[in-house]
Amino acid sequence: DAKTTQPTSMDCAEGRAANLPCNHSTISGNEYVYWYRQIHSQGPQYIIHGLKNNETNEMASLIITEDRKSSTLILPHATLRDTAVYYCIVRVGADSNYQLIWGAGTKLIIKP
Amino acid sequence: DVKVTQSSRYLVKRTGEKVFLECVQDMDHENMFWYRQDPGLGLRLIYFSYDVKMKEKGDIPEGYSVSREKKERFSLILESASTNQTSMYLCATSYLGPGANVLTFGAGSRLTVL
Repeated sequence: DAKTTQPTSMDCAEGRAANLPCNHSTISGNEYVYWYRQIHSQGPQYIIHGLKNNETNEMASLIITEDRKSSTLILPHATLRDTAVYYCIVRVGADSNYQLIWGAGTKLIIKP
Repeated sequence: DVKVTQSSRYLVKRTGEKVFLECVQDMDHENMFWYRQDPGLGLRLIYFSYDVKMKEKGDIPEGYSVSREKKERFSLILESASTNQTSMYLCATSYLGPGANVLTFGAGSRLTVL
């Protein structure tokens, strides 16, 4: 069973920040949140992950609420090439034996 | 960058045929995974492997088997293909150890079973 809930689809204007929400209300204390995206006809691509603290890298920022029940992926300046399905995923299990629980994702459409 | 190569992007097979999907990675990663992806269902794990000759069942192993004779190669086998195995198949790898355990995916193999 998916441990995350995401909107089915979202639009965002090119150049604006895209904010993608994710609900993971049943997450456990040691379970990471990962974000991947999948551009049409390609395999998923890793974006970012976090446990408790907010994270930022060259692609995006991840904001995790204090109670860890939800998070938001932020693409600061969306481009047309950011149009993709974005998956919010919970990692369950230990480092040596883990699983990623995938949901259906959010289809993000960047409009010119 | 890790490169994960899946041998075929598109395959069309007939019901009952034996199907081999090959995945090769070039970065010495211990972990390899096979997923299938269907509309509205996200990615579902079929099998994974943490080492050569080692395999573990994922969430939906029925109708599939795997082989890992060399560290860099992980094969998915459909012994007798059926129409409900029409899907996109994705191979992924990651290293074994603490930390991010980021998955790197291949481009996918779209299988159609007639």
